[in-house]
Amino acid sequence: NAGVTQTPKFRVLKTGQSMTLLCAQDMNHEYMYWYRQDPGMGLRLIHYSVGEGTTAKGEVPDGYNVSRLKKQNFLLGLESAAPSQTSVYFCASSYPNGVGNEQYFGPGTRLTVT
Amino acid sequence: AQSVSQHNHHVILSEAASLELGCNYSYGGTVNLFWYVQYPGQHLQLLLKYFSGDPLVKGIKGFEAEFIKSKFSFNLRKPSVQWSDTAEYFCAVRTGRRALTFGSGTRLQVQP
Repeated sequence: NAGVTQTPKFRVLKTGQSMTLLCAQDMNHEYMYWYRQDPGMGLRLIHYSVGEGTTAKGEVPDGYNVSRLKKQNFLLGLESAAPSQTSVYFCASSYPNGVGNEQYFGPGTRLTVT
Repeated sequence: AQSVSQHNHHVILSEAASLELGCNYSYGGTVNLFWYVQYPGQHLQLLLKYFSGDPLVKGIKGFEAEFIKSKFSFNLRKPSVQWSDTAEYFCAVRTGRRALTFGSGTRLQVQP
């Protein structure tokens, strides 16, 4: 199993450009998440999905959109990138929230917006 | 909304020293508690988790954590750290159906 994979690993955007980050998991997990990691702030939830075709807002959803057209994929889009979106983005997946189910994380995407 | 506090932002220890990293959360109901570790350049990995039962939880690589409900704490401990433990450590809480809420992280530097 590859686990959780993310593409691309690195990206540099100019302000106003758009891009899509792809997350894929091969563990048949129902739940998927997008977090951003900023220095001194830990990980903050952007959006999440509890199943194919459903998405929900997290703690910091503004400026991002997501789609979950297939169970194994969770896309994060930036329609008009801003310097404040410079961050490391982590995708995670898990089984439905049962007792103690852990989240499995991808390797991250480092995004710089200039 | 729940929050997670990690009071130690940067800890420097010598090899063989004992480690305790603090984690406090604010939520009065049932919680699942986690410690994740992020080694330099790598993604987050689960160290240990608590969901019920024995409040002293043992994880990988000799780490353990104790859930003290009355103090809303879930501190991470290791009796003797190694240089390879140099990493960033995150405490996280999950309540209900929500995703994890993370603390701000503690950067541990172990000097040989």
